[in-house]
Order: sequence, then structure tokens, then C-alpha cells
Amino acid sequence: GESVGLHLPTLSVQEGDNSIINCAYSNSASDYFIWYKQESGKGPQFIIDIRSNMDKRQGQRVTVLLNKTVKHLSLQIAATQPGDSAVYFCAENIHRGGSYIPTFGRGTSLIVHP
Amino acid sequence: EADIYQTPRYLVIGTGKKITLECSQTMGHDKMYWYQQDPGMELHLIHYSYGVNSTEKGDLSSESTVSRIRTEHFPLTLESARPSHTSQYLCASSEPGQRAFFGQGTRLTVV
Repeated sequence: GESVGLHLPTLSVQEGDNSIINCAYSNSASDYFIWYKQESGKGPQFIIDIRSNMDKRQGQRVTVLLNKTVKHLSLQIAATQPGDSAVYFCAENIHRGGSYIPTFGRGTSLIVHP
Repeated sequence: EADIYQTPRYLVIGTGKKITLECSQTMGHDKMYWYQQDPGMELHLIHYSYGVNSTEKGDLSSESTVSRIRTEHFPLTLESARPSHTSQYLCASSEPGQRAFFGQGTRLTVV
């Protein structure tokens, strides 16, 4: 399944499918991007990050793709499992006051059906 | 596992009360943040700090105040709680230019 994080806040997939969660970021000067997973009642947890000098980065079952031309970020989760059910946020570090501050998008709720 | 702690986890309090939400981290991070999050919604930055004696307001206007007297401690205070302050408050810290580590959050309900 595929979602556009800002316009389709819920993505439902079957266990074992691949999931794609999309995010449009705002600032062309942003050079660091992070995906977080937030389970119910918990704080966001780091999944994977990518810097602007890269187009792709892979982790365990997750891949982040960065398209700087259209300011677009995506998170791909392979073989989605019920434990992947959560809200996923992308964040960009935006420069302000001499430093970089993590700024979050709306988030996408991923629901994995057994 | 992140070494950043928030207390209390849950708080129900009456209108007009003064409250302080605690946040401590043992990672020695200079940068700390407070975010406000309503259920199913995005995180809004309300305060941040570059280090000791530094505090800045974030993007979302908030009636809360913060202080940073010690590197590891970044408490948030509401002088007079109102029902409109009901929300989840998330504290985070980071090294400059690196990913943020989050606490478990404080869910505040003002009745």
C-alpha cells in the first residue's frame, strides 16, 4: 500500500505486504530528515534518517528515499508486520536562530491487518 | 533505549491550578525541546533550548513557560491550567544536527 502522509492520514495493509509512506517537506534548505514511529501512548521512536547528500538509505526492513527536486521523502517497510502498526512521522531539521530544530509533518497512521 | 524521562505520565488537574511537567535527560545533550500533541495529530514545537540559561518559544503559541538551569533538566510550567491546555506534552533532546530522543510524554487533562 501507499500513502501521501499529509493528505491521506491512514494506510491499511495486509500482513506481509510492503508499505510506502510518503511525506512532502517544506524547506529546500533542509539537509537532514528523520522518520519516527509512534505507538499508542508512547513518545516517537527513531526509525531511520537520511542527509541531503544521499538519495537512499536502507535499514532493517526499512528504506528511506529522498527526492530533493520535488521535496519528497518516503519510507518503505518491507514485509509489514502487525507490530508495525503505529503513526509514522517524518521530520526535517529546519534552521532557526543559528541552529537546527526538528519540525514534524502531520503523520500517517499505518494499520496492519493479520 | 533513550535516557530521557518525563514525569508524571498522566495528570488530571483542576482549572486554575499551577503545574510543572518534569523532563530530565542523562545524555548530556545541549538541545532540548517541548512539543504539544493532540491525539492523532502532528507534534507542535512550543519551547526549545540551546543550553543552560537559553530558552526560546516555538511555533505554537503556548501559555506555558520553561527554564533551563541545568543541562539535564528542562521543566515546563503552567501557572494557571485551563481545559484548553488538555493535551499530550512530549519532551525531547538532541545533539546539534542529530536526531531527537523523546520521552514517553505526559498526558495532561484539565477539568
